Amino acid sequence: DIVMTQTPLSLSVTPGQPASISCKSSQSLLHSDGRTYLYWYLQKPGQPPQLLIYEVSNRFSGVPDRFSGSGLGTDFTLKISRVEAEDVGVYYCMQSIQLPWTFGQGTKVEIK
Amino acid sequence: QITLKESGPTLVKPTQTLTLTCTFSGFSLSTSGVGVGWIRQPPGKALEWLALIYWDADKRYSPSLKSRLTITKDTSKNLVVLTMTNMDPVDTATYYCAHRYCTTTSCPHFDYWGQGTPVTVSS
Repeated sequence: DIVMTQTPLSLSVTPGQPASISCKSSQSLLHSDGRTYLYWYLQKPGQPPQLLIYEVSNRFSGVPDRFSGSGLGTDFTLKISRVEAEDVGVYYCMQSIQLPWTFGQGTKVEIK
Repeated sequence: QITLKESGPTLVKPTQTLTLTCTFSGFSLSTSGVGVGWIRQPPGKALEWLALIYWDADKRYSPSLKSRLTITKDTSKNLVVLTMTNMDPVDTATYYCAHRYCTTTSCPHFDYWGQGTPVTVSS
């Protein structure tokens, strides 16, 4: 199985400040079709996960542009340019290049 | 708009079979590229992908659980059913179904999720 390792596991951020979450995969997520199957989800308290970013850097419909994704191969980053109170929750990365599709352990973001 | 809703028992006994239903609207599971998957989350833990069924009835399972899982669809009724045999207390989790639609140019995997249904395995 591809292991997805997120750091840090928790993050406390002052509103308006930036935040960054790293996700490293144990194997490259670059497919032979040229696409990289790395996703970011946010699970707000008491809610199901919601898709933020797909294929490394594409914001899903309705996702604010303060969220951005980058990376290649095995190293990926989710950045929030200016954290807002509504961004609290647990962030997960996920890969779908190889079965089983696997998630990171999650990064909990809270507001200071 | 796309919506999904999970239903099933909240309590099952060890060794029993769990049957969960995902009822959806806003899309058709006969459209090329569409799939519906199941993901679970034990209390306080991370997400774990379980299974997915595609528009053409092709299926994918988590290898570690494959022997216990069966996923089926009823396109006319807009529902997907997941069965998991030989339930154990470690299978206690919230079970989610989610929509997937991939094309040759983009794949926003699991873009819509149901609210989840909690399942406790206990005697």
